[in-house]
Amino acid sequence: EVQLVESGGGLVQPGGSLRLSCAASGFTFSSYAMSWVRQAPGKGLEWVSAISGSFSSTYYADSVKGRFTISRDNSKNTLSLQMSSLRAEDTAVYYCAAQESGSYVHWGQGSLVTVSS
Amino acid sequence: DIQMTQSPSSLSASVGDRVTITCRASQGIRNDLGWYQQKPGKAPKRLIYSASSLQSGVPSRFSGSGSGTEFTLTISSLQPEDFATYYCLQHNSYPRTFGQGTKVEIK
Repeated sequence: EVQLVESGGGLVQPGGSLRLSCAASGFTFSSYAMSWVRQAPGKGLEWVSAISGSFSSTYYADSVKGRFTISRDNSKNTLSLQMSSLRAEDTAVYYCAAQESGSYVHWGQGSLVTVSS
Repeated sequence: DIQMTQSPSSLSASVGDRVTITCRASQGIRNDLGWYQQKPGKAPKRLIYSASSLQSGVPSRFSGSGSGTEFTLTISSLQPEDFATYYCLQHNSYPRTFGQGTKVEIK
């Protein structure tokens, strides 16, 4: 069974940092490009960042470029998102997702990040 | 960046109705489009990939069509479990972009 389990969310003050992790199982993790997608409370889905299977290529939304860093450890089947200089508008549920046939077929349950003083 | 314009933003329908949701891309994206269903408090679920391919396990009442800039998701006969929010996603280029969502409510 495919599983993606996010962790690391929580409450952080504006300007602070947080690291999200996503543990993958049930599929060949290294063969899949992976992404982070977020959803602010009551809002739609927003793509945040992606990394290729070989992790040689990374991509970011303009809203997070320079503040967030995506990475992966294929030996541990883990995807990470290092978030810094966090803002109130980064408050959202963050999902990790695995790409197949171009779009996201497997999703985690989400991890809530709240940026507030 | 490619903009995805989804319509309508919400609709009310009855069980058994045929429902159509549209996404328009600001430039051609071939068939690089997926459709997702999301229920409150849950992760999105892929229904359609490559614009018209039905995801394994998804009921055949869901179908997708289109290519280039105009795409549709059709539910041929709405069922109680289909009341949810639907999103399109283009994966032709980065940054990936979602449509704004369509909330399908009970009439």
